[in-house]
Amino acid sequence: EPEVTQTPSHQVTQMGQEVILRCVPISNHLYFYWYRQILGQKVEFLVSFYNNEISEKSEIFDDQFSVERPDGSNFTLKIRSTKLEDSAMYFCASTRGITEAFFGQGTRLTVV
Amino acid sequence: SQQGEEDPQALSIQEGENATMNCSYKTSINNLQWYRQNSGRGLVHLILIRSNEREKHSGRLRVTLDTSKKSSSLLITASRAADTASYFCATDRGTGYSTLTFGKGTMLLVSP
Repeated sequence: EPEVTQTPSHQVTQMGQEVILRCVPISNHLYFYWYRQILGQKVEFLVSFYNNEISEKSEIFDDQFSVERPDGSNFTLKIRSTKLEDSAMYFCASTRGITEAFFGQGTRLTVV
Repeated sequence: SQQGEEDPQALSIQEGENATMNCSYKTSINNLQWYRQNSGRGLVHLILIRSNEREKHSGRLRVTLDTSKKSSSLLITASRAADTASYFCATDRGTGYSTLTFGKGTMLLVSP
């Protein structure tokens, strides 16, 4: 069964460093998303991406964040200068259309 | 309350019993989805119910949707220890993309 894959599963970084979280969405999906879940809290939407551009973003997705689809398979989330409060589980998701979303296993980001 | 609020927050039952979780939301929706999350793991899609549907079944899962009350319920019948997980409802924001707003979830513990 096709699945969304994310790498790495765990990333530890120093405050102020840049991190890139990687995702490979399901191959025939057209819409891509990033969500995050701070420990013990609800899953929060960050950004959606369609047709090589951001289609929607939340107030969390400020100038420190960027997304890119560098090739036909990868979808990345970059955090330019990490803060302690960026520590969370980051989930990538993809959909064919306005349908059920398939999520990856997540990347646990720890900022120290 | 916020969009996609589940209750109860925690539910503890014995194997073989049924588990019912409820979700309320505030704005209009295209669809409502239920997800399952094992501790520290990714989100697994369980079922999607569209705004023009009232009930949907999938295996041991039964979902209802009452758009007049802006509420949904998830029933798991004949629960098993392996059903132990957190369950989240997520509403599609109706923006034209499958951007989801999640609730805080119900933590279900099924004891053997």
